[in-house]
Amino acid sequence: SQQGEEDPQALSIQEGENATMNCSYKTSINNLQWYRQNSGRGLVHLILIRSNEREKHSGRLRVTLDTSKKSSSLLITASRAADTASYFCAITMDSNYQLIWGAGTKLIIKP
Amino acid sequence: DTAVSQTPKYLVTQMGNDKSIKCEQNLGHDTMYWYKQDSKKFLKIMFSYNNKELIINETVPNRFSPKSPDKAHLNLHINSLELGDSAVYFCASSQMGLAEQFFGPGTRLTVL
Repeated sequence: SQQGEEDPQALSIQEGENATMNCSYKTSINNLQWYRQNSGRGLVHLILIRSNEREKHSGRLRVTLDTSKKSSSLLITASRAADTASYFCAITMDSNYQLIWGAGTKLIIKP
Repeated sequence: DTAVSQTPKYLVTQMGNDKSIKCEQNLGHDTMYWYKQDSKKFLKIMFSYNNKELIINETVPNRFSPKSPDKAHLNLHINSLELGDSAVYFCASSQMGLAEQFFGPGTRLTVL
């Protein structure tokens, strides 16, 4: 079942601008992950944030988690054309680490 | 030195045929997965194996049968293919206890 929902479904911005994508979910979680999928490729893990963390950084990526609102955001700063991809959030609810996926946000960076 | 590999990358076949997709990982992981991604990009878990044992088996038609000959391989056999089976199938692996999953490049299955 799909428990994660991303918004927007699609986002088109100019190179150099910041891109923000949101993920909402319906249940308590162990952790939340963000993945990137380039066209025609498999998914690549970007960042994981645990339920007891509020913010995490990795290079130009910043992830926040608000467990009271059951939501997370992924911020990509100073976007580049190579950031064009679909971005998915995935939650794990229990110790078997089965991932429950959102529908993804398609990000287009215009040069 | 590809971490998770799948073959074939593309598979075009007629309705009613039987086909297999192979997956191999060289990461030493103990858990492997099969996912189906439909045309709207929804990613749905189909199966998961840990140390060659089935641990996740979502509501998938029994025409789909996974086989794990060893920890490094998880193959997917599909009998009596239907039009609705057309999708991209992804294999992934992880180490139990660690949440990050590593994905293969996908197999685009088209059933005519």
